[in-house]
Amino acid sequence: GAGVSQSPSNKVTEKGKDVELRCDPISGHTALYWYRQRLGQGLEFLIYFQGNSAPDKSGLPSDRFSAERTGESVSTLTIQRTQQEDSAVYLCASSLGPRGSGANVLTFGAGSRLTVL
Amino acid sequence: GESVGLHLPTLSVQEGDNSIINCAYSNSASDYFIWYKQESGKGPQFIIDIRSNMDKRQGQRVTVLLNKTVKHLSLQIAATQPGDSAVYFCAENFGAGGTSYGKLTFGQGTILTVHP
Repeated sequence: GAGVSQSPSNKVTEKGKDVELRCDPISGHTALYWYRQRLGQGLEFLIYFQGNSAPDKSGLPSDRFSAERTGESVSTLTIQRTQQEDSAVYLCASSLGPRGSGANVLTFGAGSRLTVL
Repeated sequence: GESVGLHLPTLSVQEGDNSIINCAYSNSASDYFIWYKQESGKGPQFIIDIRSNMDKRQGQRVTVLLNKTVKHLSLQIAATQPGDSAVYFCAENFGAGGTSYGKLTFGQGTILTVHP
């Protein structure tokens, strides 16, 4: 596609429920990233995919968070047993190659806003 | 831990003025810096970047300055327009000295408001 697509754009859930957030990167982009943005704050790195492997998962806050990627395509971020502190905008980004700079600068989607009641 | 931060959380300017947004970083190993613009309800949009072997880079109406001595980064926007109103984030990447992929550390952001 023309850009990074994320769905749903908004999700309201009850505490304790599981949620899945989806990211469709730009076609041909091998690198994919998930970031989290809490209200009024900057972005926090969660996980990096190169192809369908995740060499860096260091930003995942707890074992309730997991992510998968199918080939060099769609990625899903899953949050199990959601807590109120999980409320945030979850942003996906992709880049042509792994470097993240120059021709490989990260392009972000609009994000999925998660609200946990 | 090391982080990227901003001096001014909000900046209000008149249309046509020049704007300067500042950012401090603390990781001397960072070799790549980026400015992103984020409008309400949208994802961050790339504005301009600079490598640590440069001290200045210019784009269309924007200039980024890097002062490695004091670990300071700034974004200058010339002839600011109402459409420039957004939150601006600086970010750093520990590229050659650390990771070789786009893992970015973001600052908190500065809200720029441009009055007509």
